[in-house]
Amino acid sequence: NAGVTQTPKFQVLKTGQSMTLQCAQDMNHNSMYWYRQDPGMGLRLIYYSASEGTTDKGEVPNGYNVSRLNKREFSLRLESAAPSQTSVYFCASRYLMDNEQFFGPGTRLTVL
Amino acid sequence: KNQVEQSPQSLIILEGKNCTLQCNYTVSPFSNLRWYKQDTGRGPVSLTIMTFSENTKSNGRYTATLDADTKQSSLHITASQLSDSASYICVVSAPYSGGGADGLTFGKGTHLIIQP
Repeated sequence: NAGVTQTPKFQVLKTGQSMTLQCAQDMNHNSMYWYRQDPGMGLRLIYYSASEGTTDKGEVPNGYNVSRLNKREFSLRLESAAPSQTSVYFCASRYLMDNEQFFGPGTRLTVL
Repeated sequence: KNQVEQSPQSLIILEGKNCTLQCNYTVSPFSNLRWYKQDTGRGPVSLTIMTFSENTKSNGRYTATLDADTKQSSLHITASQLSDSASYICVVSAPYSGGGADGLTFGKGTHLIIQP
């Protein structure tokens, strides 16, 4: 049982490049989330998927797109990376509302 | 607007000492409150959950309290150890999924450093 896995662990991009962050969970959880964490800002929600086939915007969705590929996988895409997107990105999942969230190990992204 | 405020922002204490972290919230209606521990370079991990009817709950050296009337929670760490150095995040859950957050409001966390 691997829990929540994220790839890659580290990435450096140049401004304007695109990339997809991958997230997968093997706990049969219904909801999945993407957060970014910046110093002094805490965790901020980018997008979430309450169930397979649905996605909703969070607090900071601009510049990002998501795909809930199936129940296990939830990807985050940066179409044209900007230096302001330099951050640590965390994927999380939970079974139902009121349940504990399980977080992945994070992806550290630097945009030059 | 639902908010969760944590204090202090950062705290440095000596190994073996006790400390208390605070979490005040305005989320209403309220479902539960969780404390997460985030070690440097890792994702947060749940420490404890407090529901409306619970006043105190312990998890080893960690004791969480909840006052639902004043909308305040605290996390008390007893006999701190070097491994307690981490960020502690308070997350309040509402029993609805609207508002673009799936019912979750996060505090910004308290950064705790334990010095030998």
